Amino acid sequence: NAGVTQTPKFRVLKTGQSMTLLCAQDMNHEYMYWYRQDPGMGLRLIHYSVGEGTTAKGEVPDGYNVSRLKKQNFLLGLESAAPSQTSVYFCASSYARGRDEKLFFGSGTQLSVL
Amino acid sequence: EDQVTQSPEALRLQEGESSSLNCSYTVSGLRGLFWYRQDPGKGPEFLFTLYSAGEEKEKERLKATLTKKESFLHITAPKPEDSATYLCAAGDTGANNLFFGTGTRLTVIP
Repeated sequence: NAGVTQTPKFRVLKTGQSMTLLCAQDMNHEYMYWYRQDPGMGLRLIHYSVGEGTTAKGEVPDGYNVSRLKKQNFLLGLESAAPSQTSVYFCASSYARGRDEKLFFGSGTQLSVL
Repeated sequence: EDQVTQSPEALRLQEGESSSLNCSYTVSGLRGLFWYRQDPGKGPEFLFTLYSAGEEKEKERLKATLTKKESFLHITAPKPEDSATYLCAAGDTGANNLFFGTGTRLTVIP
C-alpha cells in the first residue's frame, strides 16, 4: 500500500522557471492538500481540494496553481519560480474533515530556487 | 487570530527520563487538536486527535491531553527511537486549514 506518493523528491530551479509537482494517493481520499514547510515556521497550507475537479486557496496561495483532474492526483504548479519559494513541499490527503480528520503525508519535495 | 505555539523548541532527555511537550492554541472554535510525529527527511505521521477539554489518548509511551487552551504530549520512559520532531496542529471550525506549530525537536540519549 503506497499511501501518498510525491514526485520528484528533489528539484533545483532557476528564478523564472516553471515546474509541476505531482501527488498521487491510493486510499480513495476525497480531500487533498499542498503544504510548504520552512525553518522556524509551521506547515502552511498552499491550496487544497475537497474532491475531484475542485480546488481552493489556502493560507499562502500566491505564486502557485493547482489542479485535480482525477480523484487520486493533485498537481502543484509554479509558473515563474522565485527564491522565496525555496522550501520543502508536502502533499497530504484525508478521508474526511472533522471527527475523522487524519492527514496522510507524502515524503516531501525539497525545492531550491536559485 | 488562529495561532498555535509549541514549547520547548528542543528537548534532550536521557533514556527513561519522562517529560512533557506543550502546545498552546488559539482558535475561535476547535474542531480538533492534532499531534503528528516527523522524522528527518520524512512527512509528518499522525499520532492523535483530541476533540474536547478533558480528553486523553495514549499510544505506547505517549499520552496526549487537552484543556481549553493547551494540549500536552507526555512521554513516559522514552527510548532513543522516540527521537523526532513532534508537531501540534489545531483545526478551527470556521477555517478549512489546520494551523500547525513549529514543533518540538526531541532527542533521547541512550
